[in-house]
Amino acid sequence: DAKTTQPPSMDCAEGRAANLPCNHSTISGNEYVYWYRQIHSQGPQYIIHGLKNNETNEMASLIITEDRKSSTLILPHATLRDTAVYYCIVRVHYGGSQGNLIFGKGTKLSVKP
Amino acid sequence: DTGVSQDPRHKITKRGQNVTFRCDPISEHNRLYWYRQTLGQGPEFLTYFQNEAQLEKSRLLSDRFSAERPKGSFSTLEIQRTEQGDSAMYLCASSQGASGSNEQYFGPGTRLTVT
Repeated sequence: DAKTTQPPSMDCAEGRAANLPCNHSTISGNEYVYWYRQIHSQGPQYIIHGLKNNETNEMASLIITEDRKSSTLILPHATLRDTAVYYCIVRVHYGGSQGNLIFGKGTKLSVKP
Repeated sequence: DTGVSQDPRHKITKRGQNVTFRCDPISEHNRLYWYRQTLGQGPEFLTYFQNEAQLEKSRLLSDRFSAERPKGSFSTLEIQRTEQGDSAMYLCASSQGASGSNEQYFGPGTRLTVT
């Protein structure tokens, strides 16, 4: 079973920030938070990951609470092309005996004009 | 394009037929994964390879399914005696694994329809 909880859907106005929450209250000390998204009829796309510090890249920012039990993915200026299902996943970062990602149902983000 | 590629993109087959899908990972990636995704659900893990070794198989991978990665490069996923319940998107992903980080990069998928 997925170790994360996300709202099933969210709406966002084009040009505004999209803030997608994720709860991962059972996260282990060596597990990272990963975010992927899946645009309709495409394979999932890696967005960002982090351990405990906030992270930013060209796609998004990741804010992780101090207790690491929840996080928020921020798309600073959402566009229509950001409409997708966003998945929050926790797992070990390097190596590890298990290779797979465990996807939940994710959050369907709809960006509206 | 140096991303993960999958072939074919779409496959329609009749129940009981065998099908085979191919995945070409990113060239320097030594881990390769197969996932299955049905409508409205997130991808579900099937199996993964470290180089040519198949290290893990999900219980979803029934004995009708077999995967190979003979030279540690491309991989094939075969489904024998297909059933209507096998209709799904089959996704392949690759990562550096081992000493590298575990971001997985996905291909576009093969959509299988069993009639």
